[in-house]
Amino acid sequence: GAVVSQHPSWVICKSGTSVKIECRSLDFQATTMFWYRQFPKQSLMLMATSNEGSKATYEQGVEKDKFLINHASLTLSTLTVTSAHPEDSSFYICSARRVEGGASDTQYFGPGTRLTVL
Amino acid sequence: GQNIDQPTEMTATEGAIVQINCTYQTSGFNGLFWYQQHAGEAPTFLSYNVLDGLEEKGRFSSFLSRSKGYSYLLLKELQMKDSASYLCAVKDSNYQLIWGAGTKLIIKP
Repeated sequence: GAVVSQHPSWVICKSGTSVKIECRSLDFQATTMFWYRQFPKQSLMLMATSNEGSKATYEQGVEKDKFLINHASLTLSTLTVTSAHPEDSSFYICSARRVEGGASDTQYFGPGTRLTVL
Repeated sequence: GQNIDQPTEMTATEGAIVQINCTYQTSGFNGLFWYQQHAGEAPTFLSYNVLDGLEEKGRFSSFLSRSKGYSYLLLKELQMKDSASYLCAVKDSNYQLIWGAGTKLIIKP
């Protein structure tokens, strides 16, 4: 099966610090990875699409200077929340698109990272 | 605009059958996905439909009617562990996933 890992699983930090979250596809190459944010009892919200070797595409309303995304290899994408504030506290989930041919490409999700900013 | 509708919450009894509906209006269609998400965890892939009809996978089945913009997820022989949110997502003409808000399924003994 397709496995995606995320690290760390949870993090607590002080306001103003930066937090880096890693997303890895363990048994397949992912040219495209996605970063989502999910607030309690709400659906997934796409933050950005990360393509290997190029700049990420951010959704409307997501600050690219605050949420830095780097997709340096076919198996690793990182999200850095810079100068985190309490309102950034959320569940951050990455997914990696496994290429299965055309429209059937499936996204496989990492386990998520719970960020709490004090 | 693009829209995915599914019921907010459903309740069913252990051992029974439940059907979770999803209707969609999107710019283009390149497949419909169902994901299961337990509280505090990331979603896991359940099924994919791109052609009309029923796809069966064990206790779970998913149906699609493209002309009606409609899908359902059918869960049979419900178990307590099936208590979760079920997310419907449609891949649009840009191959972007458009997500529904999810249906919280509560299983009672």
